Amino acid sequence: EIVLTQSPATLSLSPGERATLYCRTRQTFSSYLAWYQQKPGQAPRLLIYDASTRAPGIPPRFSGSGSGTDFTLTISSLEPEDFAIYYCQQRTSWGITFGQGTRVEIK
Amino acid sequence: QVQLLQSGAEVKKPGASVKVSCKVSGFSLTGYYMHWVRQAPGQGPEWMGWITPNSGDTNYAQKFQGRVSLTRDTSTNTAYMELSRLTSDDTAVYYCAGEVISDLDYWGQGTLVTVTS
Repeated sequence: EIVLTQSPATLSLSPGERATLYCRTRQTFSSYLAWYQQKPGQAPRLLIYDASTRAPGIPPRFSGSGSGTDFTLTISSLEPEDFAIYYCQQRTSWGITFGQGTRVEIK
Repeated sequence: QVQLLQSGAEVKKPGASVKVSCKVSGFSLTGYYMHWVRQAPGQGPEWMGWITPNSGDTNYAQKFQGRVSLTRDTSTNTAYMELSRLTSDDTAVYYCAGEVISDLDYWGQGTLVTVTS
């Protein structure tokens, strides 16, 4: 079973600051890690796939990195619309798992 | 333009079944994976299963094995998720999500299923 552990649970930052979110797996299952953003009342939105590829229409301030068991989502300079919950997700041949999420809130 | 339009909210009694539909426009279900994900109040997303593009084979999360059925109607390009033996723990928003470029890149608007006696 894949377990994705995200940290921190909550990140309190101001607009313009840099946000760094982490996602760790216990074992190396796949390098195909994705990141999603979710705002209240909305479906998740795909930001990053294959660990570091931005989905179409996603601004360049969002970047992903990592491989093996440790992955990072970086938002270089927070915009007001970036305050939301972020989930990582990994896919294997037998299914998909989401992390428990990191809430990015306004400080 | 890709759109996934889900059926409306449902209220069900414990022990009942629910069937949610997801009408797709902008891509064909025979060409791409379709996933179903649910999200209980205040919780993160939980993947339920997928249906493959060519053969329509299904793969379910172990948690839902025996209780969920994913199907599709290729003539109307509509996907379906049926969940049986509902309990209050199944109260959640249910989403369909298409895998067009990669991962779950197109989502429906969600369908709230409330299980209450």
